[in-house]
Amino acid sequence: EDQVTQSPEALRLQEGESSSLNCSYTVSGLRGLFWYRQDPGKGPEFLFTLYSAGEEKEKERLKATLTKKESFLHITAPKPEDSATYLCAVSYGNKLVFGAGTILRVKS
Amino acid sequence: ETGVTQTPRHLVMGMTNKKSLKCEQHLGHNAMYWYKQSAKKPLELMFVYNFKEQTENNSVPSRFSPECPNSSHLFLHLHTLQPEDSALYLCASSQVQGLGANVLTFGAGSRLTVL
Repeated sequence: EDQVTQSPEALRLQEGESSSLNCSYTVSGLRGLFWYRQDPGKGPEFLFTLYSAGEEKEKERLKATLTKKESFLHITAPKPEDSATYLCAVSYGNKLVFGAGTILRVKS
Repeated sequence: ETGVTQTPRHLVMGMTNKKSLKCEQHLGHNAMYWYKQSAKKPLELMFVYNFKEQTENNSVPSRFSPECPNSSHLFLHLHTLQPEDSALYLCASSQVQGLGANVLTFGAGSRLTVL
């Protein structure tokens, strides 16, 4: 049973083409939702934490939003350096469950 | 050095070998973790240590043996592994115990290949 599902599995964008990544979850008692970025050959790097529905956070071209069932990572006018795997993780109880990630490729 | 450092970065071993992965954090964190990352699969938690004490073993086979001599160092001892154990092994640390709302800082990982 999937508790955290990320979609799409892979996404190819042209430079400047805005889009969104999705992270849906089925856990109850959410304590926090995390977004991480992972570059090839590196470990995941923390981007955002969201704690309650309606919360939004921004960093450069990235904006994360949260509802009661899902989170979106919006990428505005992406650049090739935004290419990476984006992971979301959901915290509930004393557990942290990761999604499988979305591989983003931005071509110039 | 700063952050979380893992060595070796790449390791190839036979099924009968014994090897160890090392992790060191310079962040003053109190909790350390081992994760397994396989292609197209979610990160899989293996072990959690808090203040040097193991607080979680996620049903990991005994051929993986963790060791945490202090809050800054974490080892994963490997013996008689199987080819399906080939993966990226990530070490992480956090400020306090538990996986609640704490941000994890990850190392770059150790890429393990079992022949």
